[in-house]
Amino acid sequence: SAVISQKPSRDICQRGTSLTIQCQVDSQVTMMFWYRQQPGQSLTLIATANQGSEATYESGFVIDKFPISRPNLTFSTLTVSNMSPEDSSIYLCSVVGASRYEQYFGPGTRLTVT
Amino acid sequence: RKEVEQDPGPFNVPEGATVAFNCTYSNSASQSFFWYRQDCRKEPKLLMSVYSSGNEDGRFTAQLNRASQYISLLIRDSKLSDSATYLCVVNIVPRGKLIFGQGTELSVKP
Repeated sequence: SAVISQKPSRDICQRGTSLTIQCQVDSQVTMMFWYRQQPGQSLTLIATANQGSEATYESGFVIDKFPISRPNLTFSTLTVSNMSPEDSSIYLCSVVGASRYEQYFGPGTRLTVT
Repeated sequence: RKEVEQDPGPFNVPEGATVAFNCTYSNSASQSFFWYRQDCRKEPKLLMSVYSSGNEDGRFTAQLNRASQYISLLIRDSKLSDSATYLCVVNIVPRGKLIFGQGTELSVKP
């Protein structure tokens, strides 16, 4: 499976500010995904990021709040904009495996908004 | 109704016990099925894919019943290191969207 890294691993931010999370993969991948895991909850897909096209957002998530960039096949960023305490979560990126169905996750970014 | 539902936890079992997790899914378009394991404050890690014919990996056995839209995971001879949250996951192909169950926490005690 691919080796995935995320930066930062954690951050504490003030309400109203924005944070950009980076996801780096050690091999080229077509599809990358961004998930959110709120405290005590399971994972929820935010959006699918494909290189060369706009991200596809899931219901309840909008580009103005979670803009995504995918400049090449090994890198993506997710920005959490105008943060509020409700955005306190773990944010994870993932990539599909060789079978194109299973996914592998980065270590996550633990965000706390005060 | 949630798209993927799992047994409520936590499961507290002694070492060496056999434990079974159950999961149901509501979307008949689901085409791929997985069990992931998530340790505290870590990312989910793929434990095993689940096939219609059933599959086994050491002490772990997964079963899929498409007609009943039911998935199971059996862990035999539980180890302390099996303590984690087990996530039932389905994939809506071809979008690649993974739908996660809420997870079942397993605690294996000495």
